[in-house]
Amino acid sequence: ETGVTQSPTHLIKTRGQQVTLRCSSQSGHNTVSWYQQALGQGPQFIFQYYREEENGRGNFPPRFSGLQFPNYSSELNVNALELDDSALYLCASSVDRDNEQFFGPGTRLTVL
Amino acid sequence: GESVGLHLPTLSVQEGDNSIINCAYSNSASDYFIWYKQESGKGPQFIIDIRSNMDKRQGQRVTVLLNKTVKHLSLQIAATQPGDSAVYFCAEASSWAGSYQLTFGKGTKLSVIP
Repeated sequence: ETGVTQSPTHLIKTRGQQVTLRCSSQSGHNTVSWYQQALGQGPQFIFQYYREEENGRGNFPPRFSGLQFPNYSSELNVNALELDDSALYLCASSVDRDNEQFFGPGTRLTVL
Repeated sequence: GESVGLHLPTLSVQEGDNSIINCAYSNSASDYFIWYKQESGKGPQFIIDIRSNMDKRQGQRVTVLLNKTVKHLSLQIAATQPGDSAVYFCAEASSWAGSYQLTFGKGTKLSVIP
């Protein structure tokens, strides 16, 4: 196990709703990156947080937003959920922005 | 845009045989490359990485080869075991606007036949 935890494990929402996913980084890590993994695909980079600030973003719309807290845990928020948002959401923490990323087990989001 | 892809979506090998999983990449500016293993219901697990200035790196039962001329990456698993059954992803890491992003391929499913 990597020491990165995510909650909840599974989540079911309906289209148009909002969702918040949580990630606790490994001790000593100040960077959290979020990824979306659709079924049968590789993870896609959403954004990275470094010392409480967004530090790069992939090709995702503004309704995907995040936060990082002083203890370096992080949240991913998705507004106005769409059916295509159904995926496994992974967070990964690292010692710094350009170090090895350790992944959590993910949150499985289903949008109906 | 840049992409990382895999040649074979599925691979079945006999227990004890060697496995070779291939990957093509297109971003010549990537700093390093990583192989991840993902078991069902789990997040990707780091296996081995290689810097862009290297062409070979060995770990325990695994070897990664990097051919920058043809932009090709491979993962060799020696004496494949049932516990090696999983989906394997190659990923390239590159710096962009201050962040360090991983770009993953689609994955290869490795099935080990006992």
